[in-house]
Amino acid sequence: GAVVSQHPSWVICKSGTSVKIECRSLDFQATTMFWYRQFPKQSLMLMATSNEGSKATYEQGVEKDKFLINHASLTLSTLTVTSAHPEDSSFYICSASGTINTGELFFGEGSRLTVL
Amino acid sequence: GDSVTQMEGPVTLSEEAFLTINCTYTATGYPSLFWYVQYPGEGLQLLLKATKADDKGSNKGFEATYRKETTSFHLEKGSVQVSDSAVYFCALGDEKLTFGTGTRLTIIP
Repeated sequence: GAVVSQHPSWVICKSGTSVKIECRSLDFQATTMFWYRQFPKQSLMLMATSNEGSKATYEQGVEKDKFLINHASLTLSTLTVTSAHPEDSSFYICSASGTINTGELFFGEGSRLTVL
Repeated sequence: GDSVTQMEGPVTLSEEAFLTINCTYTATGYPSLFWYVQYPGEGLQLLLKATKADDKGSNKGFEATYRKETTSFHLEKGSVQVSDSAVYFCALGDEKLTFGTGTRLTIIP
């Protein structure tokens, strides 16, 4: 199947700093990427949908100024958590759909963010 | 809104045991239903799916049937292996997915 890779897989930062997480499709062009957040023992919560070259569409309750999403190319989307606080600590997962098995979603390994 | 209720884990079984992981849903319309699996250190992978009522999805010995009357999509396997140890997620939707909380399955030799 197609490969989606996230980087970093884990990151620790100080409160007030910004953190960028990358999501790359390695062997296909991702026309749409999704960003999820997962709390311990809870389901994945969709944060936003991004289409290459367009502004991201955020789900209700997700602060777009807090979680900046960029999808500037067909193989890369980034999520920047701005002015991170401890409550932003979570597991962030991206998925992508595009030119392979049209309609199927491929998921990254996830990135664990810990804000001190 | 749409929701997925999934059997809480963790579930521990012996090798060759029969597996059932329950999944029920509420949804408007008739969305596609999915089971995803996440092996340690890897991303979620599509295990199987069903797109309409009474469809049966199957893969790697796992099966699930889209039951509209009971709004369920239970995952079953007749004889589990140690390599099936993973976290299993039930989900519904089309492009935007709604997930259950995941069930951690551990198979002991």
